[in-house]
Amino acid sequence: SQQGEEDPQALSIQEGENATMNCSYKTSINNLQWYRQNSGRGLVHLILIRSNEREKHSGRLRVTLDTSKKSSSLLITASRAADTASYFCATGWGDKIIFGKGTRLHILP
Amino acid sequence: SAVISQKPSRDICQRGTSLTIQCQVDSQVTMMFWYRQQPGQSLTLIATANQGSEATYESGFVIDKFPISRPNLTFSTLTVSNMSPEDSSIYLCSAHETGNSYEQYFGPGTRLTVT
Repeated sequence: SQQGEEDPQALSIQEGENATMNCSYKTSINNLQWYRQNSGRGLVHLILIRSNEREKHSGRLRVTLDTSKKSSSLLITASRAADTASYFCATGWGDKIIFGKGTRLHILP
Repeated sequence: SAVISQKPSRDICQRGTSLTIQCQVDSQVTMMFWYRQQPGQSLTLIATANQGSEATYESGFVIDKFPISRPNLTFSTLTVSNMSPEDSSIYLCSAHETGNSYEQYFGPGTRLTVT
């Protein structure tokens, strides 16, 4: 069964605005990873955050992790048309990762 | 990061036949995995491909339907057997690099259509 649950399922924002996606999960994890998938194409690894970390940054991406609430968020600042994609969180324990259902992000011109 | 390639990139197959998908990693990796992504859905883990031993399957997936090989640390195959239209999906290979990092990288996927 899937571990993570993203919220919202779909999000449309104007170019230049910030986009925030949330991921909640149910059991203990040792890491959480965010991925991007453009329509019909492969998965791009965005960022990994370990269970003992609270925040990580990579370029315009900011990821937070709250293990007490079993939740994570992905913030994309100053969105661009190229950010239009599906975003997935994947929770890991041991060597496996399990994907959530994803958020479809659409950046409006 | 590991670079992963898959062959074929897509195929159209008749029901009742089998297709073998190949996954090649450009470096030795500890773990390799196979996922399925049905149309409009997220990724579901099929199995962990273990080097030199039988694959470990997730609930709902069985070896007779999805036999997996992993002869070395850079290569794996997934066979989709006795296909039906419900097997139409994207099949993705992924790898977890050796060492402490848990970062998992994915191949471009194989888009399978069963008619």
